[in-house]
Amino acid sequence: EPEVTQTPSHQVTQMGQEVILRCVPISNHLYFYWYRQILGQKVEFLVSFYNNEISEKSEIFDDQFSVERPDGSNFTLKIRSTKLEDSAMYFCASSGRISGNTIYFGEGSWLTVV
Amino acid sequence: SQKIEQNSEALNIQEGKTATLTCNYTNYSPAYLQWYRQDPGRGPVFLLLIRENEKEKRKERLKVTFDTTLKQSLFHITASQPADSATYLCALGDNNDMRFGAGTRLTVKP
Repeated sequence: EPEVTQTPSHQVTQMGQEVILRCVPISNHLYFYWYRQILGQKVEFLVSFYNNEISEKSEIFDDQFSVERPDGSNFTLKIRSTKLEDSAMYFCASSGRISGNTIYFGEGSWLTVV
Repeated sequence: SQKIEQNSEALNIQEGKTATLTCNYTNYSPAYLQWYRQDPGRGPVFLLLIRENEKEKRKERLKVTFDTTLKQSLFHITASQPADSATYLCALGDNNDMRFGAGTRLTVKP
């Protein structure tokens, strides 16, 4: 069964450093998402992406964050200058339609900022 | 502001019983509602989607109801098994984002 893959599975970074989290969505999907989950808390929407641009973003997705689809397969989340509170599991997801369709999640990238 | 509330943080039941989880929402008019399962350290896995014009949906031992008047969805697992132990998330969205509730952690005891 097709799946969303994410790398790295775990990254430790110093506060203030830039981090790039990578995702390969399911190949025929058109809509891409990033979510995050702070330990013990709920899954929070960050951003959705379609047709090479951001469709929607939450209040969490501030200027420190950016997304890119640099080629036909990868979808990346960049955090420019990490803060301690950015420590979380970051999930990439993709779907074939924007509404009323299953969103498939990757296994997550666990980011620890020290 | 929009809110999604899963009003049981944790639910413990005996194997074989029916688990019923609740999702309430405010300030939404969702076209559909979804339920996901999340195991510790893993990504959410889609279980069921129900649209606003559907009252009930079933899939094997799972049943979801959707009452847009009450702004509530109920998620049932019949004949529960220890393997059903996980966190169950409801999610709402009708445009470019989908928002999750905090989840209910279900434990099924043998």
